[in-house]
Amino acid sequence: AQKITQTQPGMFVQEKEAVTLDCTYDTSDPSYGLFWYKQPSSGEMIFLIYQGSYDQQNATEGRYSLNFQKARKSANLVISASQLGDSAMYFCAMREAVISGGGADGLTFGKGTHLIIQP
Amino acid sequence: DTEVTQTPKHLVMGMTNKKSLKCEQHMGHRAMYWYKQKAKKPPELMFVYSYEKLSINESVPSRFSPECPNSSLLNLHLHALQPEDSALYLCASSQDLWRAKNIQYFGAGTRLSVL
Repeated sequence: AQKITQTQPGMFVQEKEAVTLDCTYDTSDPSYGLFWYKQPSSGEMIFLIYQGSYDQQNATEGRYSLNFQKARKSANLVISASQLGDSAMYFCAMREAVISGGGADGLTFGKGTHLIIQP
Repeated sequence: DTEVTQTPKHLVMGMTNKKSLKCEQHMGHRAMYWYKQKAKKPPELMFVYSYEKLSINESVPSRFSPECPNSSLLNLHLHALQPEDSALYLCASSQDLWRAKNIQYFGAGTRLSVL
């Protein structure tokens, strides 16, 4: 079963609009971390934002915020005031706790969403 | 500074060649990773090193041989590769394996083509 599901293969958004990229996850581990990465066509994976399973507040980093709904197992990325440079692939990823030993050390990625910002 | 440097950026090799990919970080991180990413797919974990010791090998064929000579450097030695091994190879590092907030920082990758 997929651990990370991103249901939007591609999105077109007008510049300056807000964007929400969906991510749902599946884990029975109470301790886990959720990550969003941006991958431009150049290939580098750029870390955007992190949310821990025990964090009480939604994470924010500049124009990025994470809408964390634990009961729904949802960790959507919100980009405010989108810019042309935001066009890229966006990956949601999860890391489960080392203690439970369930593939803990690497990241498990979703299939990604290809975001295109239009002028 | 969150920089992970990978060389070369591009590599073309024949199936009988031996080549190496190099990854370097100077952030004091003690965990380093190799991922393989095929076109239009997410990255897949290959190897994890923790304090210069191999921690995880995700059933990768022996034609891929990782090496961690010191805490800053990670190599991936390639031998007798197949055309299906053509992919983007990404290196990443993190402070260690045990922090809850274990952010992995990635390099720009090496685009490998096997002819």
